[in-house]
Amino acid sequence: DQQVKQNSPSLSVQEGRISILNCDYTNSMFDYFLWYKKYPAEGPTFLISISSIKDKNEDGRFTVFLNKSAKHLSLHIVPSQPGDSAVYFCAASNYGQNFVFGPGTRLSVLP
Amino acid sequence: KAGVTQTPRYLIKTRGQQVTLSCSPISGHRSVSWYQQTPGQGLQFLFEYFSETQRNKGNFPGRFSGRQFSNSRSEMNVSTLELGDSALYLCASSFAQGGTEAFFGQGTRLTVV
Repeated sequence: DQQVKQNSPSLSVQEGRISILNCDYTNSMFDYFLWYKKYPAEGPTFLISISSIKDKNEDGRFTVFLNKSAKHLSLHIVPSQPGDSAVYFCAASNYGQNFVFGPGTRLSVLP
Repeated sequence: KAGVTQTPRYLIKTRGQQVTLSCSPISGHRSVSWYQQTPGQGLQFLFEYFSETQRNKGNFPGRFSGRQFSNSRSEMNVSTLELGDSALYLCASSFAQGGTEAFFGQGTRLTVV
């Protein structure tokens, strides 16, 4: 039973356009959410996070939106760049407990 | 500041053997978590150690164990290896237990033949 779902295994976007990666969760106890980016042969790199007390967090080209009622969050990358091509993992945590990761979405940004 | 260091990077073992993986966290970080990554299951939490004590444990059999030393370095051991244990094992460190931002190492790629 997956508590964190990323229903799109892959996504292709043209350079300069917006990339939107989606994540759904089932456990209402989750109160902290993170996005990680992973390149091949490297460990995941922390990208951006959001607490359940907020509905939006922005960091440069990256914005995460949280819809608690829908148990849904999304990562927006604007504008997308070829270097953004990677696997993106959504992770959820009940603060103080272990992270639960989604299966990941492979983003390809086409030049 | 050095990042999270995992050794070895690659490992090939045969079924039935046991293996020990090592993780050195970022200096000053006291929490070390271990994850297994496989193509089919994605990233799955194994366990977390903080101050030499296991604080959280994922849903893995008892063949998977770990420990943490006083310098926060951690080891993970898998006994009686099975083919399905072939995976990338990732270690993440954070300052506090259940730290909300964890920094990952490059992982150890274990192949069981």
